[in-house]
Amino acid sequence: DIQMTQSPSSLSASVGDRVTITCRASQDIKNYSVWFQQRPGTAPKSLISAASRLQSGVPSRFSGSGSGTDFSLTISSLQPEDSATYYCQQYSTYPLTFGGGTKVEIK
Amino acid sequence: QLVESGGGLVQPGGSLRLSCAASGIILNNFWISWVRQSPGKGLEWVANIKQDGSKTYYVDPVKGRFTISRDNDKNSVYLQMNSLRAEDTAVYYCATGSNHLSWGQGTLVTVSS
Repeated sequence: DIQMTQSPSSLSASVGDRVTITCRASQDIKNYSVWFQQRPGTAPKSLISAASRLQSGVPSRFSGSGSGTDFSLTISSLQPEDSATYYCQQYSTYPLTFGGGTKVEIK
Repeated sequence: QLVESGGGLVQPGGSLRLSCAASGIILNNFWISWVRQSPGKGLEWVANIKQDGSKTYYVDPVKGRFTISRDNDKNSVYLQMNSLRAEDTAVYYCATGSNHLSWGQGTLVTVSS
């Protein structure tokens, strides 16, 4: 199975900060990665697919990059509503697998 | 929009059938996945099914116990869960595609005596 290792597991940052979350795949997944945001008590919401494709309606402060084994999600200017847990996922190979999540808190 | 139903409390060894119904989208245009989240834990993909139902895939812990199916005439996808265990306790979501771009709100399954 492909392991998706996210880091950090949690972070605390101030409004306006630039925040980057990384995800490392245990083998080459080309660009078959997707990022999700999950607020407490709600379903996950897709932010970025195919490593860097911003989903419709997602604010432009979110961006994704990477290919092969290393991927990142960046929030260019953190907003209060960005307080959530973020997950990466690979869809290159079965079983489909998720990272362990990164909890983002606002200072 | 996707809407899951069928969750509830069931004893270990019991069965449940979850449903995923769609409104505003035509499900037979998509692979459909079930993804679960145990209380306070991360996300785990469970199974998915091709548009015409000809291919299905499962995560190892549910193979032989869970069956995913679909009825495109009813615009619905199902997850039949048998021989349920305590570790199957989770919120179960359906989602579109293997990249899970759209999700339902989830349905809670609790396996407990």
